Amino acid sequence: QKEVEQNSGPLSVPEGAIASLNCTYSDRVSQSFFWYRQYSGKSPELIMSIYSNGDKEDGRFTAQLNKASQYVSLLIRDSQPSDSATYLCAVVNTDKLIFGTGTRLQVFP
Amino acid sequence: GAVVSQHPSRVICKSGTSVKIECRSLDFQATTMFWYRQFPKKSLMLMATSNEGSKATYEQGVEKDKFLINHASLTLSTLTVTSAHPEDSSFYICSARDGSADNSPLHFGNGTRLTVT
Repeated sequence: QKEVEQNSGPLSVPEGAIASLNCTYSDRVSQSFFWYRQYSGKSPELIMSIYSNGDKEDGRFTAQLNKASQYVSLLIRDSQPSDSATYLCAVVNTDKLIFGTGTRLQVFP
Repeated sequence: GAVVSQHPSRVICKSGTSVKIECRSLDFQATTMFWYRQFPKKSLMLMATSNEGSKATYEQGVEKDKFLINHASLTLSTLTVTSAHPEDSSFYICSARDGSADNSPLHFGNGTRLTVT
């Protein structure tokens, strides 16, 4: 089993809709979780971090964490075409950051 | 926010030559930096952890004699790809934590696209 799993997509949503991105992880003791956005040919940029169970909101983005289910998600409200990118889930494993394969999001006008 | 600068952004070299990539933390000190490699349509794979003043820690399957890492100061780590071959062509990205805690987020450089001909 991979340490961090994501559906590769593409996930296609219309402009203005909510995009829901999911991630599961295998190491039950993981405590820190991050979502990064990566545009084609560019480096990842940090969108959100989450450390506690529940929801964390930042603008149009909401991260959700459920440690019992080993599941973390990212919701993007009012999706825009500029949100089209690959979204990487990352989990801290000891002192290393392990990435999922990413979910490609396409927001169409 | 924290800025990590990586240079060069793009390099093309001939097979058998060596290439050095620099990674600098511009507004913070980084005792630890991380080097990742990303093949097309694949995720980031951690290659090694670069520790200031000590030897790097390499991930399983990464040849330490081929990918030389030097972390000579708190703001600079270098990765040298020695005797490069076409299969080394990839996107190399460095990163650093702004903060000492393991759960501090990583900030990434802009990456170096290496093409070996």
